[in-house]
Amino acid sequence: ETGVTQTPRHLVMGMTNKKSLKCEQHLGHNAMYWYKQSAKKPLELMFVYSLEERVENNSVPSRFSPECPNSSHLFLHLHTLQPEDSALYLCASSQARTGRSGNTIYFGEGSWLTVV
Amino acid sequence: EDQVTQSPEALRLQEGESSSLNCSYTVSGLRGLFWYRQDPGKGPEFLFTLYSAGEEKEKERLKATLTKKESFLHITAPKPEDSATYLCAVQSSGSARQLTFGSGTQLTVLP
Repeated sequence: ETGVTQTPRHLVMGMTNKKSLKCEQHLGHNAMYWYKQSAKKPLELMFVYSLEERVENNSVPSRFSPECPNSSHLFLHLHTLQPEDSALYLCASSQARTGRSGNTIYFGEGSWLTVV
Repeated sequence: EDQVTQSPEALRLQEGESSSLNCSYTVSGLRGLFWYRQDPGKGPEFLFTLYSAGEEKEKERLKATLTKKESFLHITAPKPEDSATYLCAVQSSGSARQLTFGSGTQLTVLP
């Protein structure tokens, strides 16, 4: 059991559907992330929300839309996805801070998405 | 651009057979190097953070070390329950809020 909870754990959607992935963190962190994990590829950062600022990977298609209403909740809205978007979507959180040391990122269990 | 390369891609060990996993990296100012363990169908589980060359950290049968160019994850007398994919990631001064991951090493420990 982790401090980052993702729902649903599994989702099958058609290419014309609209769905959302939900993430909640219970660690008191102030930064949240969406990562994508495809078979035999490194984890790929999609979006970061940190201290009310949003940073995004420019290669992420517009059919993925994040929403972060507060520091504990994060959504990933999905619409008109393609079969190649099938992957494990991981939410993560950290305590963003300035300074020289890095900040540890903690992951949820992931949402398995299959686009048919 | 930050880069992380892990080797080997896959490793099979007999129970009790110690070995090491390698993580080579290129970054512009290292803020931290992270090791995670990932079981099939689950999210990565945090193991260690290393901040500077020469640093070492241990947890049960695992020991992580760091130099200016690479990190090693040493596994001493592994057990079947250590079987998992081990991921290495770096955080650099140029990308303070994100991690760059390697492709991982899939470890199988046979009884």
